[in-house]
Amino acid sequence: GQSLEQPSEVTAVEGAIVQINCTYQTSGFYGLSWYQQHDGGAPTFLSYNALDGLEETGRFSSFLSRSDSYGYLLLQELQMKDSASYFCALTSYNAGNMLTFGGGTRLMVKP
Amino acid sequence: GAGVSQTPSNKVTEKGKYVELRCDPISGHTALYWYRQSLGQGPEFLIYFQGTGAADDSGLPNDRFFAVRPEGSVSTLKIQRTERGDSAMYLCASSPGRLDRRNEQFFGPGTRLTVL
Repeated sequence: GQSLEQPSEVTAVEGAIVQINCTYQTSGFYGLSWYQQHDGGAPTFLSYNALDGLEETGRFSSFLSRSDSYGYLLLQELQMKDSASYFCALTSYNAGNMLTFGGGTRLMVKP
Repeated sequence: GAGVSQTPSNKVTEKGKYVELRCDPISGHTALYWYRQSLGQGPEFLIYFQGTGAADDSGLPNDRFFAVRPEGSVSTLKIQRTERGDSAMYLCASSPGRLDRRNEQFFGPGTRLTVL
């Protein structure tokens, strides 16, 4: 099976940079994704890493190291609207490419 | 275009009753997924459809859960003899279904099921 571990909660100040870590155990996967979910809302896709290294999308960047079974999401220039839960997810080696999610990290951005 | 929609948004039922949850995926998306999310946890995979067929139902917790997608578009998740432990948010997601390992999934707003 697959499992992913994330910190349950992170707090940061508006304008700062925050890193949300994700460690995983798996026998194989295609890539690591990150999803954002506001309270009461649907998860929305943020980023995907198939290869080791950094992927940058605006204020968000995501990193993957397969050798370390580790990834992170980096959020820069934090805004109040970034307060949400963030989930890392592995894309499985199967026909459906279904996602296995971590438990989520709740990010609180303070003024 | 329209996103994934789910109805009802909230469903309250009594233990032992039967419920149906509906999902309308994005038009043209051939892949459809059902997930269940408990409060404070990540979504857990239930079942995956490619077209009309259930390609993988390994996440369904037991035989009280069943899902269909008869015409390859709308899907219905059916739960028989509901139990209090079934209370959760049920999320539906769709994706284009191409061989794209990025597999960005587009989620609906979910149905909050409460079993009393």
